[in-house]
Amino acid sequence: AQSVTQLGSHVSVSEGALVLLRCNYSSSVPPYLFWYVQYPNQGLQLLLKYTTGATLVKGINGFEAEFKKSETSFHLTKPSAHMSDAAEYFCAVSDWGGKLIFGQGTELSVKP
Amino acid sequence: GEEVAQTPKHLVRGEGQKAKLYCAPIKGHSYVFWYQQVLKNEFKFLISFQNENVFDETGMPKERFSAKCLPNSPCSLEIQATKLEDSAVYFCASSAEGAGSQPQHFGDGTRLSIL
Repeated sequence: AQSVTQLGSHVSVSEGALVLLRCNYSSSVPPYLFWYVQYPNQGLQLLLKYTTGATLVKGINGFEAEFKKSETSFHLTKPSAHMSDAAEYFCAVSDWGGKLIFGQGTELSVKP
Repeated sequence: GEEVAQTPKHLVRGEGQKAKLYCAPIKGHSYVFWYQQVLKNEFKFLISFQNENVFDETGMPKERFSAKCLPNSPCSLEIQATKLEDSAVYFCASSAEGAGSQPQHFGDGTRLSIL
């Protein structure tokens, strides 16, 4: 069975600092991995995805993630945080049929 | 349309009443997914459709929950005899293909409150 674990339910950074949100997955087959962001009272917006090919994936709003098979990780990073990045972030793995299995979410706070 | 449209945004029902939620997928998308978000963080997959056919219903509670996607109509999720524990935000998502590599586009959700 597939699963996702996000380390840290809440991360706080200063504006301009590095953002690092951690995600580890468990999958018996090559995984499809996603990061989504959720702003208050809104749905999920896709940040980036890994399917095959290059392990460093670039997404929207300056975010990127690196797929590391040996560590079963797919951590999300951004070099410099903006106030507008404050939101809930979800890592997810997809099964063959497209069903998404989500992590518990990480709330990112950005301090001025 | 270019967005997944969910209606209503909010729905309040008394315990034991019926609740019906609607979802219009992005035009041209043939796969629809329903998820339940409880307590802000926990997402649970309910059911998926390929056009009007059930594709995966492994997350669907056996009793009280049903869903349909009929041609030329919004998809719907119906809960009979609602319980307090059904209070959640229900999200619909659509994708052009059902393969796991395809990203899903989410609507803004329907917040269901059971009193």
